[in-house]
Amino acid sequence: GAVVSQHPSWVICKSGTSVKIECRSLDFQATTMFWYRQFPKQSLMLMATSNEGSKATYEQGVEKDKFLINHASLTLSTLTVTSAHPEDSSFYICSARTGGDYEQYFGPGTRLTVT
Amino acid sequence: DQQVKQNSPSLSVQEGRISILNCDYTNSMFDYFLWYKKYPAEGPTFLISISSIKDKNEDGRFTVFLNKSAKHLSLHIVPSQPGDSAVYFCAANSGNTPLVFGKGTRLSVIA
Repeated sequence: GAVVSQHPSWVICKSGTSVKIECRSLDFQATTMFWYRQFPKQSLMLMATSNEGSKATYEQGVEKDKFLINHASLTLSTLTVTSAHPEDSSFYICSARTGGDYEQYFGPGTRLTVT
Repeated sequence: DQQVKQNSPSLSVQEGRISILNCDYTNSMFDYFLWYKKYPAEGPTFLISISSIKDKNEDGRFTVFLNKSAKHLSLHIVPSQPGDSAVYFCAANSGNTPLVFGKGTRLSVIA
């Protein structure tokens, strides 16, 4: 149980375009979803926390107008990277948690390359 | 300010021996600690956790030790196997806060 999927697993886009990444909890209802970003050989940096039906809470330094997060249902959250630039190239990972649960279940990640 | 620190970026261990991965934290509010294993281009996989009311938790070959007074925890893997080669992340949180991760330690188990 506790499976989280992400789509796509890999995407290449041109500078200036927007990319949407989906995160789904397949066998449980995720009241909270998290989006992380990982640069090579670095830790997972939390970008934002989203609760179903409410606005996401962004970490300091993360541009909310650039990284649009929507958590419209208990099984789906989306991250849209708007007007992508090469410096946005990274590995984006989502995780999900049920209410009252300490553990977070991670998706397989999405590698974004902006050319 | 890094609240969770893994000071060893890498560790090499011979197959069959014990692997010990260390983690220090600074936030005394943390009350739940987890270890994740991660392969390149994949999401982290949960390994083992420990609550602050315990000082040891064991699951098969994996044991996590928590020393609250030293704000230190460690993951022991014994015996180590080549398939254990991966990056191991220590993470911590309190209540419903998001997990805070260390920078990871790359474990290489040599056959």
